Amino acid sequence: AQSVSQHNHHVILSEAASLELGCNYSYGGTVNLFWYVQYPGQHLQLLLKYFSGDPLVKGIKGFEAEFIKSKFSFNLRKPSVQWSDTAEYFCAGISGGGADGLTFGKGTHLIIQP
Amino acid sequence: NAGVTQTPKFRVLKTGQSMTLLCAQDMNHEYMYWYRQDPGMGLRLIHYSVGEGTTAKGEVPDGYNVSRLKKQNFLLGLESAAPSQTSVYFCASSSGTGAGELFFGEGSRLTVL
Repeated sequence: AQSVSQHNHHVILSEAASLELGCNYSYGGTVNLFWYVQYPGQHLQLLLKYFSGDPLVKGIKGFEAEFIKSKFSFNLRKPSVQWSDTAEYFCAGISGGGADGLTFGKGTHLIIQP
Repeated sequence: NAGVTQTPKFRVLKTGQSMTLLCAQDMNHEYMYWYRQDPGMGLRLIHYSVGEGTTAKGEVPDGYNVSRLKKQNFLLGLESAAPSQTSVYFCASSSGTGAGELFFGEGSRLTVL
């Protein structure tokens, strides 16, 4: 079965610290991967996505993610976090060409302390 | 641009009552989805539709029904609400050509007493 797992459910960092959130997927064949962010009280917004090509993907607000096929991973990174990055982060995947919606990880609640 | 709009945004029901959540999108998207979000569970797919007049079950369809009579609308119904259906419901849509990228509504918070 297709699945996406996120390693950390709660992460607390200080401002200016570096961030890495883990995501592993279990898909056969081609896979498209996404990171979404949900700020408090808001809906999900797309941070970045990987379809094919360069495995290092850059998104909005200084976030990036690296697709490592050999490790089935798609970890999210940011060199220096800000208080405004406090949010819930979701990794999601879909098999290439699939129409039956994204499969989401359970989310990582990130708290940035000023 | 409205994007994906959900109504109502908040609702409190008593056990056994029925209600319908409406999702409307103005992006001419083919695919539409209903998810529920629960603490520690992430988002789980309830039902989805790949076009007008079609619907399919997702991961957690029990207790819900859906209809897609018009391309722009996707309705989620609860015939007999249960406390286990207390959740935040998100509608999303996709063009189908963006290989899965979803655009989300702002969510509907439902409490069943």
